[in-house]
Amino acid sequence: QSVLTQPPSASGTPGQRVSISCSGSRSNIGSNAVNWYQQLPGTAPKLLIYSNNQRPSGVPDRFSGSKSGTSASLAISGLQSEDEADYYCAAWDDSLNGPVFGGGTKLTVL
Amino acid sequence: QLQLQESGPGLVKPSETLSLTCTVSGDSISSSSYYWGWIRQPPGKGLEWIGSIYYSGSTYYNPSLKSRVTISVDTSKNQFSLKLSSVTAADTAVYYCARLLLGSTRIDYWGQGTLVTVSS
Repeated sequence: QSVLTQPPSASGTPGQRVSISCSGSRSNIGSNAVNWYQQLPGTAPKLLIYSNNQRPSGVPDRFSGSKSGTSASLAISGLQSEDEADYYCAAWDDSLNGPVFGGGTKLTVL
Repeated sequence: QLQLQESGPGLVKPSETLSLTCTVSGDSISSSSYYWGWIRQPPGKGLEWIGSIYYSGSTYYNPSLKSRVTISVDTSKNQFSLKLSSVTAADTAVYYCARLLLGSTRIDYWGQGTLVTVSS
């Protein structure tokens, strides 16, 4: 049981916009920044969004993040086949004094 | 370019101690802006933070694993290490080492990961 709650799956067709939610509590998302990771099959996670809505260099602007209260969301516009991956949200938890992750969302591009 | 590489046995017997080392290249592990951490991922499951260490040796552990975990750092070798005692099959996972921004879950560098299987 992960501290942050994500839907286990999401899907869309090429060109569509999809959104993945991440729900937490006051001690994590409610108090701290949210980061998002993309994990392609058989590889280590890659930082996709940091500080709620910032993209590292090299990440396409098709990816965007937002946060409101104790929830966050990752949006992918202009969906492409290479976006098929697992996506994880993460936030610092003040009670745990460490990072907590969502359970991951498997994105399928139909 | 910073690189992290995990090393250690891929098979550990139940009740024994899992030991892994992460070698950092391309930058000093003594950077004041970062923690160095271990994160694991059981097959087909999500990510779990195990613990982190600052170059000074200050450690931070996941409470659910704290009684079994020791993380240490060797700045002379630019390495940090993980020991997890009394392992069971539930500890079978891909273990990643990573660099975390202080007080954050921002992880900009990950090792490639190493699968550790707990089995007799």
